[in-house]
Amino acid sequence: GAVVSQHPSWVICKSGTSVKIECRSLDFQATTMFWYRQFPKQSLMLMATSNEGSKATYEQGVEKDKFLINHASLTLSTLTVTSAHPEDSSFYICSATSGRAYEQYFGPGTRLTVT
Amino acid sequence: AQSVSQHNHHVILSEAASLELGCNYSYGGTVNLFWYVQYPGQHLQLLLKYFSGDPLVKGIKGFEAEFIKSKFSFNLRKPSVQWSDTAEYFCAVNANTNAGKSTFGDGTTLTVKP
Repeated sequence: GAVVSQHPSWVICKSGTSVKIECRSLDFQATTMFWYRQFPKQSLMLMATSNEGSKATYEQGVEKDKFLINHASLTLSTLTVTSAHPEDSSFYICSATSGRAYEQYFGPGTRLTVT
Repeated sequence: AQSVSQHNHHVILSEAASLELGCNYSYGGTVNLFWYVQYPGQHLQLLLKYFSGDPLVKGIKGFEAEFIKSKFSFNLRKPSVQWSDTAEYFCAVNANTNAGKSTFGDGTTLTVKP
């Protein structure tokens, strides 16, 4: 149980375009979803916290107009990277919690490459 | 704000050696503590967690960790590592008031030589 999926797993886009990444909890309802960014050989950097039906809470330094997060249902959250630039190339990981003791279940990640 | 420090960036061991990875956190209140593992090419998985009770917690694959409140530490241990333990290990902490928002350490790369 407690499986989280992400789609796509890998995407290449041109500079200036937008990319949407989906995060789904497959067998549980996620009260909260988190979006992280991971650079090579580095740790996870929390970008934002997303609760179903409300606006996402962004961490300091994360541009909310650039990284649009929508949490439309208890099983789906989306991250849209708008007007992507090469510096946005990274590994984006989502996680979900059902609220049970704050245990997070992680998705497999999405590798974004902006050319 | 909470922070997490993992002192070992890269650890290299031979099979059957004992492992201890350090993790210290800074936060004055009640915390929940986690160790996650990321095997090459795979996503993060929970190894073990501490919320309350016995400070010595046992996780999957023979791992254990001890919460020492006075030292703000949550070190990960395994008495005898295997080649398959080669992975990246992350310590994480969240505060009870933060609704699951976790802060991660920088990670420790463990390489086990066969």
